[in-house]
Amino acid sequence: EPEVTQTPSHQVTQMGQEVILHCVPISNHLYFYWYRQILGQKVEFLVSFYNNEISEKSEIFDDQFSVERPDGSNFTLKIRSTKLEDSAMYFCASIRGRNYGYTFGSGTRLTVV
Amino acid sequence: AQSVTQPDIHITVSEGASLELRCNYSYGATPYLFWYVQSPGQGLQLLLKYFSGDTLVQGIKGFEAEFKRSQSSFNLRKPSVHWSDAAEYFCAVGARNSGAGSYQLTFGKGTKLSVIP
Repeated sequence: EPEVTQTPSHQVTQMGQEVILHCVPISNHLYFYWYRQILGQKVEFLVSFYNNEISEKSEIFDDQFSVERPDGSNFTLKIRSTKLEDSAMYFCASIRGRNYGYTFGSGTRLTVV
Repeated sequence: AQSVTQPDIHITVSEGASLELRCNYSYGATPYLFWYVQSPGQGLQLLLKYFSGDTLVQGIKGFEAEFKRSQSSFNLRKPSVHWSDAAEYFCAVGARNSGAGSYQLTFGKGTKLSVIP
């Protein structure tokens, strides 16, 4: 069964550093997403991406965050200057279309120290 | 704005017993509804989804859920729990995005299921 692949599985970074999280969505999917889960809290929507542009973003997704699809397969989330409160599990997801369920990746655990 | 309530933080059942996990949602239109399962250190796996039609939805691993519009509920059930079902279960509602034709998920806080052998 096709999978959404996320790398790395765990990233430790110092506060103030830039970090890029990588995702390879399923190849025939059209919509791409980033969600995050702070330890012990709900999974929260960050951003959706379609047709090479952001289609929706949450209040969490401020100017420190950006997404990019640099080629036909990768979908990245960049955090420009990490803060301690950015520590969370970040999930990438993709769907083929509106009548399909999301396929989530296994996540990247980001720890900001 | 949409919201999801999972009133049970932690449930413990014996292996072989039946299971029902509760989920209530708030959304202004007909919702897309989902149940996901997360094992420790793992991603979110889709168990089942409801978009329209038959309100009783069958999913993977023997799970089913019933959409009850009058109660704004989408409870997850399994007739006989296996030890491997121990995990955290998340209910989610999908809110349609304007224009782009997809939807974004709002999750509940999750219910942790423990299974006694």
